[in-house]
Amino acid sequence: DIQMTQSPSSLSASVGDRVTITCRASRDISNYLNWYQQKPGKAPNLLIYDASNLKTGVPSRFSGSGSGTDFTFTISSLQPEDVATYYCQQYDNFWTFGQGTKVEI
Amino acid sequence: QVQLQPSGPGLVKPSETLSLTCTVSGGSISPHYWNWIRQPPGKGLEWIGYIYYTGTTYYNPSLKSRVTISLDTSKNQFSLKLNSVTAADTAVYYCARGSSSYSGSCEYFDYWGLGTLVTVSS
Repeated sequence: DIQMTQSPSSLSASVGDRVTITCRASRDISNYLNWYQQKPGKAPNLLIYDASNLKTGVPSRFSGSGSGTDFTFTISSLQPEDVATYYCQQYDNFWTFGQGTKVEI
Repeated sequence: QVQLQPSGPGLVKPSETLSLTCTVSGGSISPHYWNWIRQPPGKGLEWIGYIYYTGTTYYNPSLKSRVTISLDTSKNQFSLKLNSVTAADTAVYYCARGSSSYSGSCEYFDYWGLGTLVTVSS
């Protein structure tokens, strides 16, 4: 099994702040990594696929980078509507998710 | 716009079979992967398995012995059966479409249904 470890597990930031979340894979997964946003009571929503590609319609303040075992998800300027839990997900071997990072303001 | 609508009982007794159906509208069953993913209350996401539009299935090894996913293309529906359930199977169950950007394999989940809470309790 490929384990995905996110950090931090939660964070609090101010509107306009730059927020960074990291995701580490237990082995090399190339760029087979996606990022999702889940708001309370809602289904996850795909934001970034293949580590760095922004899904059409997703605001450009969201970005992703990395390859191999270490990945980063960034919100360049945090907005009130970005309050959510963010998950990374690998698809190199089966499909597994990180434990999530809760972002609060 | 693709929409997925799950349906099924919200309460299942221990040792019985959990059964859910997901109806797909606004898009074609092919050439996508139709997944079930669950989330125990307050916890993270666990992939359960998928069925490809051809009928090929693939399951999480940790659940494989108890899971069956089937497809009814005439109704644009796919279904989940999880047998011998315990309290550990209590979760919000999501159906989701799997797609890819270039490989043709299941890479990401781009459309999700509303979650349905299934509680295992006597």
